[in-house]
Amino acid sequence: EVQLVESGGGLVQPGGSLRLSCAASGVTLSRHDMSWFRQAPGKGLEWVSTLISTDEPFYADSVKGRFIISRDSFRNTLFLQMNSLRAEDTAIYYCARKIGYGYGSDYWGQGTLVAVSS
Amino acid sequence: DIQMTQSPSILSASVGDRVTITCRAGQSISSWLAWYQQRPGRAPKLLLYKASTLESGVPSRFSGGESGTEFTLTINGLQPDDFATYYCQQYNAYPWTFGQGTKVEIK
Repeated sequence: EVQLVESGGGLVQPGGSLRLSCAASGVTLSRHDMSWFRQAPGKGLEWVSTLISTDEPFYADSVKGRFIISRDSFRNTLFLQMNSLRAEDTAIYYCARKIGYGYGSDYWGQGTLVAVSS
Repeated sequence: DIQMTQSPSILSASVGDRVTITCRAGQSISSWLAWYQQRPGRAPKLLLYKASTLESGVPSRFSGGESGTEFTLTINGLQPDDFATYYCQQYNAYPWTFGQGTKVEIK
């Protein structure tokens, strides 16, 4: 059974940093496209970043230059390093797997809450 | 960026109803569209991908259609578990973009 478990969220001051983790079991992350999505309180879904299986990253304009997506194949874990955090980054962050070209994101974690506030 | 316009924002319906949600892309996305269901406090769940392919384990009362840049999600015979918020998402090109969401509520 595929499981994705996010961690690392919390309360941080504007300008601060956090690193989110997404630990996977039942799936080898390096074989798939892995993404981060977020959802601000009471709002809709927003795509944040994707690391495709060839290790090429893609970012939303709103986070480009501030966030870095990466993965550790040995630990089978996806990361999102978030720097220069802003109030508008406050959201639940989800990691998700996309099995391959043409498919949707089929497995999602439960989410981790990031709150940026002074 | 490819804009996704989803309608309606709220849909009131009864158990057993047939409901349709529409999503219009601002430009061609081929068939690279997914539909997700999200219940309160839960992660999104993939329902369909490639516009009309049903994800494994999803009930057959869910179906997807497309005509050019207009896509539809239809639920035939609404069940109590189906009262939730639905999102369309294009993955034809980065940045991936979502529709605003449709909340299906009990009439």
